[in-house]
Amino acid sequence: GIQVEQSPPDLILQEGANSTLRCNFSDSVNNLQWFHQNPWGQLINLFYIPSGTKQNGRLSATTVATERYSLLYISSSQTTDSGVYFCAVEQKTSGSRLTFGEGTQLTVNP
Amino acid sequence: EPEVTQTPSHQVTQMGQEVILRCVPISNHLYFYWYRQILGQKVEFLVSFYNNEISEKSEIFDDQFSVERPDGSNFTLKIRSTKLEDSAMYFCASTGHWGWFRETQYFGPGTRLLVL
Repeated sequence: GIQVEQSPPDLILQEGANSTLRCNFSDSVNNLQWFHQNPWGQLINLFYIPSGTKQNGRLSATTVATERYSLLYISSSQTTDSGVYFCAVEQKTSGSRLTFGEGTQLTVNP
Repeated sequence: EPEVTQTPSHQVTQMGQEVILRCVPISNHLYFYWYRQILGQKVEFLVSFYNNEISEKSEIFDDQFSVERPDGSNFTLKIRSTKLEDSAMYFCASTGHWGWFRETQYFGPGTRLLVL
């Protein structure tokens, strides 16, 4: 099956800092989603981004499908941004299941 | 905004007992999923469901698991005889389209299952 690698595994920031999270995947994909898992365990949809660039407030994401990676940018981070960020992909050749990466644990300190 | 709902939010059960986790997908969606997340680990796919039948399942989804769409709105996951290792957060998801057109999978808030 497809491999999904996220980096860094852990990231600690001061409030107001910017950060970039990376997701590499090993095969062609139909779908790529970024999620934020909050402290209550809920998975919050951030982006559906199989290719191209999208922005939503302080967050933006870019997927370069031909090079098999996606980036999530967080600008002017806030303490509420803390949590785990997951990248999940749907491999072109294996149905519609999402395969998740291991996640990036982000801690934003005041 | 429409959302996927799940009940209960938490469930504690004894090993060997049957549990049923319930989900109400977004109303015009056609494709439904169950995923699980063991504490501290990544989210793993269990099963997908379309047109009243399983379309894909993972190696985790063995004979102890079953899914059903008993009516026009609910989607359930049953674990027949729970084991300690079934303790996890279980997420339901739904999406509107498949085939050549892909769309976001929307996830419910999860059911945290603890097997004692």
